[in-house]
Amino acid sequence: ETGVTQTPRHLVMGMTNKKSLKCEQHLGHNAMYWYKQSAKKPLELMFVYSLEERVENNSVPSRFSPECPNSSHLFLHLHTLQPEDSALYLCASSRAVYSGVSSEQFFGPGTRLTVL
Amino acid sequence: AQSVTQPDIHITVSEGASLELRCNYSYGATPYLFWYVQSPGQGLQLLLKYFSGDTLVQGIKGFEAEFKRSQSSFNLRKPSVHWSDAAEYFCAVGAQGNEKLTFGTGTRLTIIP
Repeated sequence: ETGVTQTPRHLVMGMTNKKSLKCEQHLGHNAMYWYKQSAKKPLELMFVYSLEERVENNSVPSRFSPECPNSSHLFLHLHTLQPEDSALYLCASSRAVYSGVSSEQFFGPGTRLTVL
Repeated sequence: AQSVTQPDIHITVSEGASLELRCNYSYGATPYLFWYVQSPGQGLQLLLKYFSGDTLVQGIKGFEAEFKRSQSSFNLRKPSVHWSDAAEYFCAVGAQGNEKLTFGTGTRLTIIP
């Protein structure tokens, strides 16, 4: 596998279910991101992990819970979601910011989530 | 806080014609600027980036973009589009010393024969 992979690619769940999205990067990066992409809305940054520490949490509801066990893996745990949470969830990775030098982000293909 | 505006929601061009997609940003210092492309059902692929130096940057698939500080713009161009260029294009701005990117709402490009 190369680049950034996400599983599953499609997920349908009921509002009472618990599920997890998985992201894995094979690029040697040490920063990882979750984004939500809804129709006709800008890409929304949800969480940022840099060097395995959460550095950004953009007022995301607690029904979304991220986990970053190491620099190559990122999870998004989902529970008691709402229909408006249906969206494409994208994972990305990059080199972490050192001495003010930023880096481009590389994206996975996304998980299309439908909440019934 | 930084922001990005892509004023064109949808653009249609003929195959072989030239293309320019507009992007305006707001940021108090020198920005990091990116263009990404997204095909249906796919993630975002980086086309090109500007960090510093030459204001005209070349990217993949024959695309280029020019950073114009005076106009706060970073427009994407291609001299001759191909049917395979049909996709959604996103401009993004990043801040120095920060992993956070802010994306525009995207421009959907349709190519007609």
